[in-house]
Amino acid sequence: DTGVSQNPRHKITKRGQNVTFRCDPISEHNRLYWYRQTLGQGPEFLTYFQNEAQLEKSRLLSDRFSAERPKGSFSTLEIQRTEQGDSAMYLCASSLWTGSEKLFFGSGTQLSVL
Amino acid sequence: SQQGEEDPQALSIQEGENATMNCSYKTSINNLQWYRQNSGRGLVHLILIRSNEREKHSGRLRVTLDTSKKSSSLLITASRAADTASYFCATDALGAGNNRKLIWGLGTSLAVNP
Repeated sequence: DTGVSQNPRHKITKRGQNVTFRCDPISEHNRLYWYRQTLGQGPEFLTYFQNEAQLEKSRLLSDRFSAERPKGSFSTLEIQRTEQGDSAMYLCASSLWTGSEKLFFGSGTQLSVL
Repeated sequence: SQQGEEDPQALSIQEGENATMNCSYKTSINNLQWYRQNSGRGLVHLILIRSNEREKHSGRLRVTLDTSKKSSSLLITASRAADTASYFCATDALGAGNNRKLIWGLGTSLAVNP
């Protein structure tokens, strides 16, 4: 257990529905990342926060994806109008940024869009 | 886009043998990290090597870094069945607004046969 918690672990939804995932990072960590990963691939960067500020969002990310980190603690990732291509593992990671960092990952949320 | 490129993509060895995985990257880095991912789980940090270091050890792991060739290798000695996992290298890179973030490779899938 890395101390990063993600919920739910699995989510099955129908195409067109909205889904929201939650990540609780290690409490003293100031950075929080969201990644997407499909089978046989490395993590694909989606977005990251430093405290409550969203510092970067991948250009690959459509407007259907939005993430928040109110108060710089937990974060949510919402996908609106899900498509079958959104099916993937969504990983959250946190770190204590000190000029370099190592990431602590949650176990991920596996999304299946039917 | 992924900067790190691991090779081989897949490696199958017998328990007790050594496993070597390589990672190449394209831009200047601050550090390079190796992570392990068991099937269906999040990634776990293994080791970080800074750009001014050439070799680092942690238990049965040995990492080398050659900045002139922009490459790194991860050696696992005396492998065990429990080492079966995917291994990813990650390099930091200048992101938007000079905020550094990790760039991930596609990973090497290691199978250690008992």
